[in-house]
Amino acid sequence: DTEVTQTPKHLVMGMTNKKSLKCEQHMGHRAMYWYKQKAKKPPELMFVYSYEKLSINESVPSRFSPECPNSSLLNLHLHALQPEDSALYLCASSHNTGEQFFGPGTRLTVL
Amino acid sequence: QKEVEQDPGPLSVPEGAIVSLNCTYSNSAFQYFMWYRQYSRKGPELLMYTYSSGNKEDGRFTAQVDKSSKYISLFIRDSQPSDSATYLCAMSAGDDKIIFGKGTRLHILP
Repeated sequence: DTEVTQTPKHLVMGMTNKKSLKCEQHMGHRAMYWYKQKAKKPPELMFVYSYEKLSINESVPSRFSPECPNSSLLNLHLHALQPEDSALYLCASSHNTGEQFFGPGTRLTVL
Repeated sequence: QKEVEQDPGPLSVPEGAIVSLNCTYSNSAFQYFMWYRQYSRKGPELLMYTYSSGNKEDGRFTAQVDKSSKYISLFIRDSQPSDSATYLCAMSAGDDKIIFGKGTRLHILP
């Protein structure tokens, strides 16, 4: 089973709201990732957790706050977002270098 | 020069044709090479993963890596309309970062 699940599928939020995106994998993978993808662009890496510790933070604004409660779960907390943050947010997991498995994404719209 | 170059297309080919998708790269540290397929408004799906020069085949898909030329290819045989998607090449130097190409939009015409 190479499935990564993400909830919700769609999210609409105002600029003053606080919301969270959730990601789950049960493949025993050691690393989990958050990406942001704009239309007709490749995914852009935001954060990497390896063995539940934040290992890469690509200088993402503090209005995005990742959390890894355990080896199977990854959250992305959102606060005071801007309309330009509207995008597809993708979660991925991997055990081997490069071999990342992506979830279906959460389509976020910030009004 | 970008680390990974990929022609964004669109590329349109008739059903049944062989499709050739390519990427070039400049970073000789890249050791792992991937191809992802992404349908509109969906997450990328890993198609092929390789870490050596040469060919790797999986059904109608063949991935080719030429490290000496810093060139990778994906071939799709007997293309189907369901193969219409964006194909992203991706590479890694062995850390947890993968560098994506821009993606090639492929249309298979019935």
